[in-house]
Amino acid sequence: DTAVSQTPKYLVTQMGNDKSIKCEQNLGHDTMYWYKQDSKKFLKIMFSYNNKELIINETVPNRFSPKSPDKAHLNLHINSLELGDSAVYFCASSNQGSEAFFGQGTRLTVV
Amino acid sequence: SQKIEQNSEALNIQEGKTATLTCNYTNYSPAYLQWYRQDPGRGPVFLLLIRENEKEKRKERLKVTFDTTLKQSLFHITASQPADSATYLCALALDSNYQLIWGAGTKLIIKP
Repeated sequence: DTAVSQTPKYLVTQMGNDKSIKCEQNLGHDTMYWYKQDSKKFLKIMFSYNNKELIINETVPNRFSPKSPDKAHLNLHINSLELGDSAVYFCASSNQGSEAFFGQGTRLTVV
Repeated sequence: SQKIEQNSEALNIQEGKTATLTCNYTNYSPAYLQWYRQDPGRGPVFLLLIRENEKEKRKERLKVTFDTTLKQSLFHITASQPADSATYLCALALDSNYQLIWGAGTKLIIKP
């Protein structure tokens, strides 16, 4: 069983479109995250959710919005996509004070 | 300013030797530090966690040290193998909220 799964793995879309990336974890963790990894491979946190409450919200554009229907899911919605949004997006989960488990990543390409 | 730094240049090591990677940080008060491995096209995978009151942690061929005075962690792979080639990331957990702050990673290449 996959611990943290995110879909799709690849996403190619045009500028201005709205897209979503889904994430699910079956580890029973209390916190889920979205990270962006750019071309320089730097992993930057975007959001984290703890028990359905947003606890970290870095300075990301408000075109990005996390949606958590329940403790096991944290989806990422992106509106009005821009070229600079092209990157690999990783979902992760953890319990506080423990290691993070990552999904396989979603490579987003905006053309 | 707060920052966490890893050697941005790739580290080339001969097979069988010990590889040592460095993670330095400034102006953080860490609760613990973690090391992860990332292979191309995949998400990071957890390797080791060391707490601020621990000096050293070991797991098989891996060893991590944590010096809160020097604000540095060293990650060692002994008897390195080509399969150890990957990018290694350190992540610092703040004692205030356990938020993880990530280094940019060091690419390790083990040559046969």
